[in-house]
Amino acid sequence: GAVVSQHPSRVICKSGTSVKIECRSLDFQATTMFWYRQFPKQSLMLMATSNEGSKATYEQGVEKDKFLINHASLTLSTLTVTSAHPEDSSFYICSARVIQGLAEAFFGQGTRLTVV
Amino acid sequence: GEDVEQSLFLSVREGDSSVINCTYTDSSSTYLYWYKQEPGAGLQLLTYIFSNMDMKQDQRLTVLLNKKDKHLSLRIADTQTGDSAIYFCAEAGGNNRLAFGKGNQVVVIP
Repeated sequence: GAVVSQHPSRVICKSGTSVKIECRSLDFQATTMFWYRQFPKQSLMLMATSNEGSKATYEQGVEKDKFLINHASLTLSTLTVTSAHPEDSSFYICSARVIQGLAEAFFGQGTRLTVV
Repeated sequence: GEDVEQSLFLSVREGDSSVINCTYTDSSSTYLYWYKQEPGAGLQLLTYIFSNMDMKQDQRLTVLLNKKDKHLSLRIADTQTGDSAIYFCAEAGGNNRLAFGKGNQVVVIP
């Protein structure tokens, strides 16, 4: 199946700093990527839909100025957590869908963000 | 919109079968999926079923779909310790997004 690579897998940052997470589709082009946040023992919460060449679509309650999304190419989307605070500590997962046939979603490995 | 419900925890002995259930609300979903998440990792697609199918078997995995009741189940035969994980069902809604259930943690006891 297709591969989605997410980097870094784990990051610890100081409160007030910004962190960038990359999501790459390695062997297919993804016009749309999705960013999720997952709290411990909970399901995935969709944060935003990243669209190549246009602005991301944010879910209700997600601050677009806090979570900056850039989808500059068909294989790369980035999520930047700006001015991170401890409550932003979470597991962030990206996915990309092959929008043909099965429309299967492939997921990155996830990024564990800890803000201290 | 989509709303997917799952039960939360299942303990099963190695070698036994395990069954995970899920209900969904969007009858227009074309595909329904089962994903597996191991600790600290992303999601891995296990299997899927097309909405016009009632059952799909893939090696140790059997998916049953009851469209009338909007009920989806995953049966894992001969459960192994490597099957310990959280399992999410998901449906692809008309807005092209996946809606996930809360997840079901399966713990396999040796």
